[in-house]
Amino acid sequence: GAGVSQSPSNKVTEKGKDVELRCDPISGHTALYWYRQSLGQGLEFLIYFQGNSAPDKSGLPSDRFSAERTGGSVSTLTIQRTQQEDSAVYLCASSVPGLSTDTQYFGPGTRLTVL
Amino acid sequence: KQEVTQIPAALSVPEGENLVLNCSFTDSAIYNLQWFRQDPGKGLTSLLLIQSSQREQTSGRLNASLDKSSGRSTLYIAASQPGDSATYLCAVTGGYGGSQGNLIFGKGTKLSVKP
Repeated sequence: GAGVSQSPSNKVTEKGKDVELRCDPISGHTALYWYRQSLGQGLEFLIYFQGNSAPDKSGLPSDRFSAERTGGSVSTLTIQRTQQEDSAVYLCASSVPGLSTDTQYFGPGTRLTVL
Repeated sequence: KQEVTQIPAALSVPEGENLVLNCSFTDSAIYNLQWFRQDPGKGLTSLLLIQSSQREQTSGRLNASLDKSSGRSTLYIAASQPGDSATYLCAVTGGYGGSQGNLIFGKGTKLSVKP
């Protein structure tokens, strides 16, 4: 079956521009997560959606970052007025919380480069 | 807040050797712990998940143990192969500053298995 997919796989943008990153979770997974992996910083949590509940935005680094999840499925992470420090790999994951496993399944990521 | 540490940061072993990767976390009130593998330029692959009530999980040549009270987990790889070369990441959910949802990651151990 299909795993988590992300698009684009690579994105190069100029400082100050807005970017949108897309995540398609595994069908039927009610939870969706965004993480960021920066060189030297490791993997950091950004935002978490669970069903129809209000998202946990506690990991978003600034108000330039926002995310939506439409229809409980596809999610878009938007970064406004990009800065060079936003350059990183953005990873999306999905899971079916409540099951005994609760494993998070990751997509291949979007590599964002801000020039 | 919850912090995850992995030691060593890098490890190089000859093929066939058994090895242990270490992970420690500062707050023992976790929900679960996951071990992942990341190949260069790729997303994360879940290897094993241990619920907080469990002591260990096994999959093939991999065995992960969890000692929640001391805040430690180990990943044991038996009879290592060059194909095991990757970065291994440990992550927990829960603990102070965490939640039942998002993963808090260590910085990983980069493993190289020499033929």
